[in-house]
Amino acid sequence: DAGVTQSPTHLIKTRGQQVTLRCSPKSGHDTVSWYQQALGQGPQFIFQYYEEEERQRGNFPDRFSGHQFPNYSSELNVNALLLGDSALYLCASSFRRGADYGYTFGSGTRLTVV
Amino acid sequence: QQQVKQSPQSLIVQKGGISIINCAYENTAFDYFPWYQQFPGKGPALLIAIRPDVSEKKEGRFTISFNKSAKQFSLHIMDSQPGDSATYFCAASGGNQFYFGTGTSLTVIP
Repeated sequence: DAGVTQSPTHLIKTRGQQVTLRCSPKSGHDTVSWYQQALGQGPQFIFQYYEEEERQRGNFPDRFSGHQFPNYSSELNVNALLLGDSALYLCASSFRRGADYGYTFGSGTRLTVV
Repeated sequence: QQQVKQSPQSLIVQKGGISIINCAYENTAFDYFPWYQQFPGKGPALLIAIRPDVSEKKEGRFTISFNKSAKQFSLHIMDSQPGDSATYFCAASGGNQFYFGTGTSLTVIP
């Protein structure tokens, strides 16, 4: 049974560019949450998607947007990249929206903005 | 504002020793407190979790102690092994998102 799959694993972008990160949830999971983990820090909540809609959002600017598809997979888009956006982006899937519903993290996408 | 404060930042323990990591929170609406283990290049993996209606939960060598009145909880790793060397995060949730601590880098010396 595959867990949470994220692609790509690593990415280098130039300041001002746009990036799209992808996530396939664990089988049986219908909710996807995205987190940003800066080096040496704990993950910070970006937003959560359920039933193809953004249901909750953390303290991130509108440059961060997302999408959830009918098969529950999700994309995270970041526009106008800043050097400070360099981080590990984690996708977590769960069955239903609650944080205690078997939250499972992927291995992340390491984004470097130069 | 850090919702969950974690200490220490790093910890070195001899093999067979006890590793203790502490966390504190402010929001009394939090009702789920997990601990995650993260190895380099990997995402966080759930170790053990507790709810505020119990004061202690044990799973194998891992124990969470919870003090609701002090708004503190801790992770104890008994008989620490070199394979336990990783970064540990406490977290708290009152709904759909986690608030993570800043992490503790644990090194277990053989």
